Amino acid sequence: DVKVTQSSRYLVKRTGEKVFLECVQDMDHENMFWYRQDPGLGLRLIYFSYDVKMKEKGDIPEGYSVSREKKERFSLILESASTNQTSMYLCASSPYTGDEQFFGPGTRLTVL
Amino acid sequence: GESVGLHLPTLSVQEGDNSIINCAYSNSASDYFIWYKQESGKGPQFIIDIRSNMDKRQGQRVTVLLNKTVKHLSLQIAATQPGDSAVYFCAHHPPVYTDKLIFGTGTRLQVFP
Repeated sequence: DVKVTQSSRYLVKRTGEKVFLECVQDMDHENMFWYRQDPGLGLRLIYFSYDVKMKEKGDIPEGYSVSREKKERFSLILESASTNQTSMYLCASSPYTGDEQFFGPGTRLTVL
Repeated sequence: GESVGLHLPTLSVQEGDNSIINCAYSNSASDYFIWYKQESGKGPQFIIDIRSNMDKRQGQRVTVLLNKTVKHLSLQIAATQPGDSAVYFCAHHPPVYTDKLIFGTGTRLQVFP
């Protein structure tokens, strides 16, 4: 089975802190994605990557950056956390473009 | 712009009844559609998918119907069980943005005994 893991299930940070969210997939997938999920807004794409060291902006990249140094790992970085970044963050991977995406369990981030 | 909408935010059904969850999409060129299930505290899980060259696809207790004429997608769950209680999302790949999935906001399915 495809497994996508995220480093933390729950995280509490303070405004202005730098935050790292880690995602690892074990199926050698080419594509990886970061979403945030908010009530009433559904899943919104932050960034995605289709290859090592490659990244593309999604729909809401402001305030975020990403890093993909290895194929299996995709990191989301909040350079200076703000309260409006309190959300559920979901990582996903897919083998090819146009394929279904496999999701991790999510990280619920609270910024105080 | 791209959008995937859901007609009902919450659907309540009796255990054993059939459930139908609906989804509308705006891009007539969309060629791939997916239904996901998200249980409380978990990430979305793939349920079933369908490509635009099909009208219907069946899985275990689930059926997806695609009506391209009215740009409508539905998920039917037969003999709904308490374990089916979750939020259900439809999503699609618009052909221009082949790397991305566009998600609906979700429908919460509640199953009562």
